Amino acid sequence: EAQVTQNPRYLITVTGKKLTVTCSQNMNHEYMSWYRQDPGLGLRQIYYSMNVEVTDKGDVPEGYKVSRKEKRNFPLILESPSPNQTSLYFCASSERGTAAFFGQGTRLTVV
Amino acid sequence: QKEVEQDPGPLSVPEGAIVSLNCTYSNSAFQYFMWYRQYSRKGPELLMYTYSSGNKEDGRFTAQVDKSSKYISLFIRDSQPSDSATYLCAMTRQAGTALIFGKGTTLSVSS
Repeated sequence: EAQVTQNPRYLITVTGKKLTVTCSQNMNHEYMSWYRQDPGLGLRQIYYSMNVEVTDKGDVPEGYKVSRKEKRNFPLILESPSPNQTSLYFCASSERGTAAFFGQGTRLTVV
Repeated sequence: QKEVEQDPGPLSVPEGAIVSLNCTYSNSAFQYFMWYRQYSRKGPELLMYTYSSGNKEDGRFTAQVDKSSKYISLFIRDSQPSDSATYLCAMTRQAGTALIFGKGTTLSVSS
Protein backbone atom coordinates (compact mmCIF):
# COMPACT_ATOMS: atom_id res chain seq x y z
CA GLU A 1 0.00 0.00 0.00
CA ALA A 2 1.34 3.43 -0.98
CA GLN A 3 1.83 5.48 2.13
CA VAL A 4 3.73 8.13 4.04
CA THR A 5 4.49 7.05 7.59
CA GLN A 6 5.27 9.48 10.39
CA ASN A 7 6.44 8.61 13.87
CA PRO A 8 5.57 9.27 16.56
CA ARG A 9 1.89 10.23 16.20
CA TYR A 10 1.86 12.02 19.54
CA LEU A 11 4.74 13.49 21.50
CA ILE A 12 4.97 15.55 24.67
CA THR A 13 8.42 16.89 25.46
CA VAL A 14 10.15 19.55 27.51
CA THR A 15 11.74 22.75 26.32
CA GLY A 16 15.25 22.26 25.02
CA LYS A 17 15.22 18.48 24.68
CA LYS A 18 16.25 17.53 21.15
CA LEU A 19 13.77 15.42 19.22
CA THR A 20 13.36 13.86 15.81
CA VAL A 21 10.14 13.13 13.96
CA THR A 22 10.63 10.50 11.30
CA CYS A 23 8.98 10.39 7.89
CA SER A 24 9.21 7.54 5.42
CA GLN A 25 7.54 6.96 2.04
CA ASN A 26 7.39 3.75 -0.02
CA MET A 27 6.55 5.27 -3.43
CA ASN A 28 10.06 6.21 -4.59
CA HIS A 29 9.02 9.88 -4.69
CA GLU A 30 11.67 12.50 -5.23
CA TYR A 31 9.84 15.38 -3.52
CA MET A 32 9.26 15.36 0.24
CA SER A 33 8.23 18.18 2.53
CA TRP A 34 7.31 19.09 6.11
CA TYR A 35 4.46 21.31 7.29
CA ARG A 36 3.03 22.58 10.50
CA GLN A 37 -0.65 23.31 10.96
CA ASP A 38 -1.88 25.79 13.55
CA PRO A 39 -5.40 27.13 14.21
CA GLY A 40 -5.94 30.40 12.38
CA LEU A 41 -2.62 30.11 10.53
CA GLY A 42 -3.35 27.15 8.30
CA LEU A 43 -0.75 24.84 6.81
CA ARG A 44 2.73 26.28 6.47
CA GLN A 45 5.70 24.65 4.81
CA ILE A 46 8.81 24.21 6.96
CA TYR A 47 11.30 22.54 4.60
CA TYR A 48 11.19 20.66 1.35
CA SER A 49 13.52 18.39 -0.57
CA MET A 50 13.60 17.77 -4.30
CA ASN A 51 15.96 14.82 -4.06
CA VAL A 52 18.63 13.15 -1.95
CA GLU A 53 20.98 15.70 -0.37
CA VAL A 54 18.89 18.59 -1.77
CA THR A 55 16.85 20.55 0.78
CA ASP A 56 15.49 24.07 0.92
CA LYS A 57 13.64 26.33 3.33
CA GLY A 58 9.91 26.82 3.18
CA ASP A 59 7.84 29.48 4.88
CA VAL A 60 8.75 28.83 8.51
CA PRO A 61 12.15 27.05 8.80
CA GLU A 62 13.41 28.73 12.00
CA GLY A 63 14.09 26.25 14.78
CA TYR A 64 13.98 23.19 12.51
CA LYS A 65 16.50 21.06 10.64
CA VAL A 66 16.05 18.34 8.07
CA SER A 67 18.22 15.86 6.24
CA ARG A 68 17.69 13.73 3.15
CA LYS A 69 20.31 11.02 3.08
CA GLU A 70 18.06 8.44 1.46
CA LYS A 71 15.20 8.91 -0.97
CA ARG A 72 12.58 7.31 1.25
CA ASN A 73 13.34 9.14 4.53
CA PHE A 74 13.05 12.79 5.48
CA PRO A 75 13.35 13.33 9.25
CA LEU A 76 12.46 16.62 10.95
CA ILE A 77 14.80 17.61 13.76
CA LEU A 78 14.09 20.09 16.55
CA GLU A 79 17.46 20.75 18.18
CA SER A 80 16.07 22.82 21.07
CA PRO A 81 12.26 22.74 21.02
CA SER A 82 10.34 25.68 22.45
CA PRO A 83 6.64 25.99 23.38
CA ASN A 84 5.90 27.98 20.18
CA GLN A 85 6.74 24.81 18.24
CA THR A 86 3.74 23.08 19.76
CA SER A 87 1.76 22.16 16.66
CA LEU A 88 0.42 19.47 14.35
CA TYR A 89 3.11 18.39 11.89
CA PHE A 90 2.65 16.71 8.54
CA CYS A 91 5.09 15.12 6.15
CA ALA A 92 4.21 14.75 2.46
CA SER A 93 5.69 13.27 -0.68
CA SER A 94 5.03 13.31 -4.42
CA GLU A 95 6.64 12.87 -7.79
CA ARG A 96 6.10 16.42 -8.98
CA GLY A 97 6.19 18.60 -5.90
CA THR A 98 2.44 18.76 -5.47
CA ALA A 99 2.56 17.11 -2.01
CA ALA A 100 0.16 14.44 -3.21
CA PHE A 101 0.48 12.08 -0.25
CA PHE A 102 0.40 13.21 3.36
CA GLY A 103 1.22 11.30 6.49
CA GLN A 104 -1.19 10.95 9.38
CA GLY A 105 0.34 13.79 11.33
CA THR A 106 2.37 14.18 14.52
CA ARG A 107 0.87 16.17 17.35
CA LEU A 108 3.75 17.74 19.26
CA THR A 109 3.43 19.49 22.61
CA VAL A 110 6.42 21.30 24.09
CA VAL A 111 6.07 22.24 27.76
CA GLN B 1 -1.09 41.49 1.53
CA LYS B 2 -0.80 37.76 2.11
CA GLU B 3 0.40 35.71 -0.83
CA VAL B 4 -2.67 33.47 -0.80
CA GLU B 5 -6.07 34.47 0.57
CA GLN B 6 -8.89 32.03 1.24
CA ASP B 7 -12.16 32.72 3.03
CA PRO B 8 -12.28 30.38 6.06
CA GLY B 9 -16.07 30.10 6.03
CA PRO B 10 -17.74 28.10 7.40
CA LEU B 11 -19.80 27.37 4.34
CA SER B 12 -23.02 25.40 4.86
CA VAL B 13 -25.02 23.98 1.95
CA PRO B 14 -27.78 21.40 1.49
CA GLU B 15 -27.06 18.08 -0.16
CA GLY B 16 -27.12 18.33 -3.94
CA ALA B 17 -26.02 21.98 -4.07
CA ILE B 18 -23.20 23.27 -6.25
CA VAL B 19 -20.35 24.51 -4.09
CA SER B 20 -17.86 27.16 -5.14
CA LEU B 21 -14.61 27.52 -3.20
CA ASN B 22 -12.14 30.25 -4.07
CA CYS B 23 -8.64 31.58 -3.49
CA THR B 24 -6.93 34.75 -4.60
CA TYR B 25 -3.20 35.26 -4.78
CA SER B 26 -0.76 38.11 -5.27
CA ASN B 27 2.32 36.47 -6.81
CA SER B 28 1.98 36.38 -10.60
CA ALA B 29 4.85 33.87 -10.76
CA PHE B 30 2.65 31.05 -9.43
CA GLN B 31 2.17 28.44 -12.15
CA TYR B 32 0.93 25.33 -10.36
CA PHE B 33 -2.31 25.28 -8.43
CA MET B 34 -3.62 22.54 -6.14
CA TRP B 35 -6.72 21.80 -4.13
CA TYR B 36 -6.66 19.53 -1.09
CA ARG B 37 -9.39 18.11 1.10
CA GLN B 38 -8.78 17.56 4.80
CA TYR B 39 -11.12 15.63 7.06
CA SER B 40 -11.00 16.24 10.78
CA ARG B 41 -7.92 14.67 12.44
CA LYS B 42 -6.54 13.49 9.09
CA GLY B 43 -3.79 14.63 6.74
CA PRO B 44 -4.75 16.60 3.61
CA GLU B 45 -5.35 14.67 0.40
CA LEU B 46 -4.69 16.07 -3.05
CA LEU B 47 -7.90 16.49 -5.07
CA MET B 48 -6.90 18.44 -8.14
CA TYR B 49 -3.71 19.76 -9.69
CA THR B 50 -3.66 22.36 -12.49
CA TYR B 51 -0.83 23.93 -14.41
CA SER B 52 -1.26 27.54 -15.59
CA SER B 53 -4.70 28.77 -16.65
CA GLY B 54 -7.78 26.83 -17.63
CA ASN B 55 -10.19 24.25 -16.31
CA LYS B 56 -9.76 20.69 -15.18
CA GLU B 57 -12.55 18.28 -14.38
CA ASP B 58 -12.53 15.09 -12.31
CA GLY B 59 -15.90 13.56 -11.59
CA ARG B 60 -17.94 16.01 -9.53
CA PHE B 61 -14.97 18.35 -9.08
CA THR B 62 -13.86 21.14 -11.43
CA ALA B 63 -10.82 23.32 -10.85
CA GLN B 64 -10.55 26.67 -12.58
CA VAL B 65 -7.57 29.00 -12.81
CA ASP B 66 -7.78 32.61 -14.00
CA LYS B 67 -4.23 33.93 -13.96
CA SER B 68 -5.23 37.34 -15.28
CA SER B 69 -7.36 37.87 -12.17
CA LYS B 70 -5.08 35.84 -9.88
CA TYR B 71 -8.10 33.81 -8.86
CA ILE B 72 -8.65 30.06 -8.58
CA SER B 73 -11.83 28.12 -7.89
CA LEU B 74 -12.96 24.62 -7.03
CA PHE B 75 -16.52 23.66 -7.91
CA ILE B 76 -18.23 20.65 -6.40
CA ARG B 77 -21.38 19.47 -8.18
CA ASP B 78 -24.11 17.45 -6.49
CA SER B 79 -22.49 17.92 -3.11
CA GLN B 80 -22.74 15.06 -0.61
CA PRO B 81 -22.48 14.95 3.20
CA SER B 82 -19.19 13.08 2.69
CA ASP B 83 -17.82 16.27 1.08
CA SER B 84 -17.96 17.96 4.50
CA ALA B 85 -14.33 18.84 5.20
CA THR B 86 -11.84 21.66 5.06
CA TYR B 87 -10.64 22.54 1.56
CA LEU B 88 -7.18 24.01 1.10
CA CYS B 89 -5.77 25.70 -1.96
CA ALA B 90 -2.03 25.76 -2.60
CA MET B 91 0.27 27.08 -5.26
CA THR B 92 3.89 27.20 -6.33
CA ARG B 93 6.09 28.91 -8.91
CA GLN B 94 7.75 25.77 -10.11
CA ALA B 95 7.09 22.09 -9.50
CA GLY B 96 9.26 20.83 -6.66
CA THR B 97 9.76 24.20 -4.98
CA ALA B 98 8.08 25.96 -2.06
CA LEU B 99 4.33 25.44 -1.67
CA ILE B 100 2.14 28.22 -0.27
CA PHE B 101 -1.21 27.24 1.19
CA GLY B 102 -4.39 29.15 1.83
CA LYS B 103 -5.82 28.87 5.34
CA GLY B 104 -8.63 26.59 4.19
CA THR B 105 -12.42 26.83 3.89
CA THR B 106 -14.60 24.63 6.09
CA LEU B 107 -17.54 23.14 4.19
CA SER B 108 -20.55 21.46 5.73
CA VAL B 109 -23.06 19.61 3.53
CA SER B 110 -26.29 18.70 5.28
CA SER B 111 -28.57 15.83 4.23
